[in-house]
Amino acid sequence: NAGVTQTPKFRVLKTGQSMTLLCAQDMNHEYMYWYRQDPGMGLRLIHYSVGEGTTAKGEVPDGYNVSRLKKQNFLLGLESAAPSQTSVYFCASCTNPNEQFFGPGTRLTVL
Amino acid sequence: DAKTTQPNSMESNEEEPVHLPCNHSTISGTDYIHWYRQLPSQGPEYVIHGLTSNVNNRMASLAIAEDRKSSTLILHRATLRDAAVYYCILGYGGSQGNLIFGKGTKLSVKP
Repeated sequence: NAGVTQTPKFRVLKTGQSMTLLCAQDMNHEYMYWYRQDPGMGLRLIHYSVGEGTTAKGEVPDGYNVSRLKKQNFLLGLESAAPSQTSVYFCASCTNPNEQFFGPGTRLTVL
Repeated sequence: DAKTTQPNSMESNEEEPVHLPCNHSTISGTDYIHWYRQLPSQGPEYVIHGLTSNVNNRMASLAIAEDRKSSTLILHRATLRDAAVYYCILGYGGSQGNLIFGKGTKLSVKP
């Protein structure tokens, strides 16, 4: 049981490049979330999903898109990366929204 | 969304109890009180949550004031591994898990 895994762990992009972050969970959770964490700050919710095929916007959705084609995977896309998107990205999943399980994070730098 | 106020930092000695306070004077009747912690370079970890009554689990205890305007996370015997940032978060019990993290309290544990 791997829990919540995130791919890749680190990435450096140039401004304007695109990429996709993958979050996978093997706990059969319905809910999945993408957060970002900037230095010295708490996490902010980007997008979330309450089930396969559904997604919704969180607190800071601009510049990101998501897809949940399979229950176990939640993808976060950056179509045209900007330096302001330099951050650590965390994925979480759960059955009960009160108890979220977080992945180890992806550290993204946009030059 | 209701906000929380926590001290920026606290210190504790190893093997002593720790009381982490949180003020949430604008809490609504349906807001749950959640606590998560984040160890250095890791994703957040669920600690405990509650609505009105005090709660205990293997990690900690949550004491909720009778008027619910404040709460305290209690670590019964601090260990070095408990050094982390602790986040007190309010969330609507019927929501889809949109946690709003503040800056939290950085707990240092001295041997």
